[in-house]
Amino acid sequence: NAGVTQTPKFQVLKTGQSMTLQCAQDMNHNSMYWYRQDPGMGLRLIYYSASEGTTDKGEVPNGYNVSRLNKREFSLRLESAAPSQTSVYFCASSEWTEAFFGQGTRLTVV
Amino acid sequence: AQSVSQHNHHVILSEAASLELGCNYSYGGTVNLFWYVQYPGQHLQLLLKYFSGDPLVKGIKGFEAEFIKSKFSFNLRKPSVQWSDTAEYFCAVNGALSSASKIIFGSGTRLSIRP
Repeated sequence: NAGVTQTPKFQVLKTGQSMTLQCAQDMNHNSMYWYRQDPGMGLRLIYYSASEGTTDKGEVPNGYNVSRLNKREFSLRLESAAPSQTSVYFCASSEWTEAFFGQGTRLTVV
Repeated sequence: AQSVSQHNHHVILSEAASLELGCNYSYGGTVNLFWYVQYPGQHLQLLLKYFSGDPLVKGIKGFEAEFIKSKFSFNLRKPSVQWSDTAEYFCAVNGALSSASKIIFGSGTRLSIRP
């Protein structure tokens, strides 16, 4: 039982490049989240998906897009990376109870 | 607006000292409350949670938290901290009446324990 799996764990991008962060959960949860974590700012919600086929903007959605491909998978796309998007990204899922987190992706944009 | 406030950004304690981390929330309706811990270089893990019933909740590693509804608070406590408690602690809230309720996190409190 893997829980929430994120890939990749580390990534370095050049400004303007694009990439997709992948997230999959095997707990049959309806809700999935993407957060970014920056020093002193806690966890900020980028996008949220309450169920397959639905997505909602969170606190900091600009520069990101998401796809809820099916119940298991929720991907985050950076179309044109900027240095301000250097951060640690966490995917999470939940169903009524607490959220379960992936291991995180450390992204550096140079 | 839904929000969680953690007023202590960085707490420094000596081993064996008692700990209390503050958490206040703003959220309409019945809530679930959580404390998560993030050890250096790791992801967030659940420390304890409150859904209903006894407002004093016990979690792992000797932590406990008390839900005071009238104060919209859910403070985390530990009678005697250890060096291994060095971590960042996050308070979180979501609505209890919907499985699709978003979980809102506070900005976190960094706890440093001097050996």
